[in-house]
Amino acid sequence: GAGVSQTPSNKVTEKGKYVELRCDPISGHTALYWYRQSLGQGPEFLIYFQGTGAADDSGLPNDRFFAVRPEGSVSTLKIQRTERGDSAMYLCASSLKSGSGIDTQYFGPGTRLTVL
Amino acid sequence: DQQVKQNSPSLSVQEGRISILNCDYTNSMFDYFLWYKKYPAEGPTFLISISSIKDKNEDGRFTVFLNKSAKHLSLHIVPSQPGDSAVYFCAASAMAGNQFYFGTGTSLTVIP
Repeated sequence: GAGVSQTPSNKVTEKGKYVELRCDPISGHTALYWYRQSLGQGPEFLIYFQGTGAADDSGLPNDRFFAVRPEGSVSTLKIQRTERGDSAMYLCASSLKSGSGIDTQYFGPGTRLTVL
Repeated sequence: DQQVKQNSPSLSVQEGRISILNCDYTNSMFDYFLWYKKYPAEGPTFLISISSIKDKNEDGRFTVFLNKSAKHLSLHIVPSQPGDSAVYFCAASAMAGNQFYFGTGTSLTVIP
């Protein structure tokens, strides 16, 4: 079956611009996560959705970052007034979140964002 | 503050030998641990996991060991194969929580 997909694979933008990054989770997965990975670092949690609602957005670095998941499937990460420090790989993951406590996350290939 | 640490950024191993990748954590609330493997230009791929009620979990050539008292886990790959060359991340979470905390990764090179 299809895995997690993310578009675009690469995004180059100028400082101050607005960008949207899209994530298509695995069908049937209710949980969706966004991570940011800077060079030489591991993925860093940004936000978690259970269904349509953001259950935990404690990882968002500031109010320029926002994410939505209006129908409980596709999610969009939105970054306003981009800064050079936002340049990173943005990863999306989804999981069944069956409530069993064991919750393996499956990652997409990521979107490489470069802010010039 | 890095709650999950992988202190070896890289490791080289001869094909057929054992690869041992290490990971330390600081948060005693963590009770679920995973290893992910990442190839260039791809997202991390789940490899193996272990919950804190166990001290070992094995899946084919991959075994994860958990030492709760030392807050340490390790991934053993035996025998190592060239296709195992990748970056390996360990991750941890508290089952009641939603966040997974990742280490900085270890780049494994298996030399043919």
